[in-house]
Amino acid sequence: QVQLQESGPGLVKTSQTLSLTCTVSGASIGRAGYYWSWIRQHPGKGLEWIGYIYYNGDTFYNPSLKSRVTISSDTSKKQFSLKLNSVTAADTAVYYCARDTSNYYDPSGHLRGMGWFDPWGQGTLVSV
Amino acid sequence: QSALTQPRSVSGSPGQSVTISCTGTSSDVGGYKYVSWYQQHPGKAPKLTIYDVSKRPSGVPDRFSGSKSGNTASLTISGLQAEDEGDYYCCSYAGSYTGVLFGGGTKLTVL
Repeated sequence: QVQLQESGPGLVKTSQTLSLTCTVSGASIGRAGYYWSWIRQHPGKGLEWIGYIYYNGDTFYNPSLKSRVTISSDTSKKQFSLKLNSVTAADTAVYYCARDTSNYYDPSGHLRGMGWFDPWGQGTLVSV
Repeated sequence: QSALTQPRSVSGSPGQSVTISCTGTSSDVGGYKYVSWYQQHPGKAPKLTIYDVSKRPSGVPDRFSGSKSGNTASLTISGLQAEDEGDYYCCSYAGSYTGVLFGGGTKLTVL
């Protein structure tokens, strides 16, 4: 059974960098076929896709966050991480890590995850 | 790019059916077959309920079904049960620039 668990500071100061780690059990993040993803949910609001990393290190980010986001992975530790810099109060949210189980070529020829997220971590609230 | 459009709320009585719509554009819902739906209970993480427009993951009751027509996807829950109450989000691939989009969410109340 695949399980994901987020960890990291629950409070970050304005203008600093938010750093979270997702630890995966029951699966290898170094195998092809899955996209290891970050998604956030502002308090009382909907979901927002942040981005993901593929087993080969390829990343794909939400264009609205791309200038501030870095997703990386450490396959030996079975972890992938999120860094979001220059945070403001607008970045206060519950941050989820999740596995995207889809893997298709889009019409432009890019191999992509298409947004089939399963399972999810329990989420962690980060306040700025 | 804006989130996909969902009704803020829907309701139904036990045993009835409800349908939640998810409207996008030809650049997302209408342009790809990669629509998924998530159920979220208060304080919990979302749970994949439908993927690939109409497929159900193992363990999801067949009361849940999905469909798509043009730029609008739909989730139908038949034989409503109390445990179906919660928030539902649609999700669609939106191309190699935008990535993945979610809907704004719909609160389902079982009366």
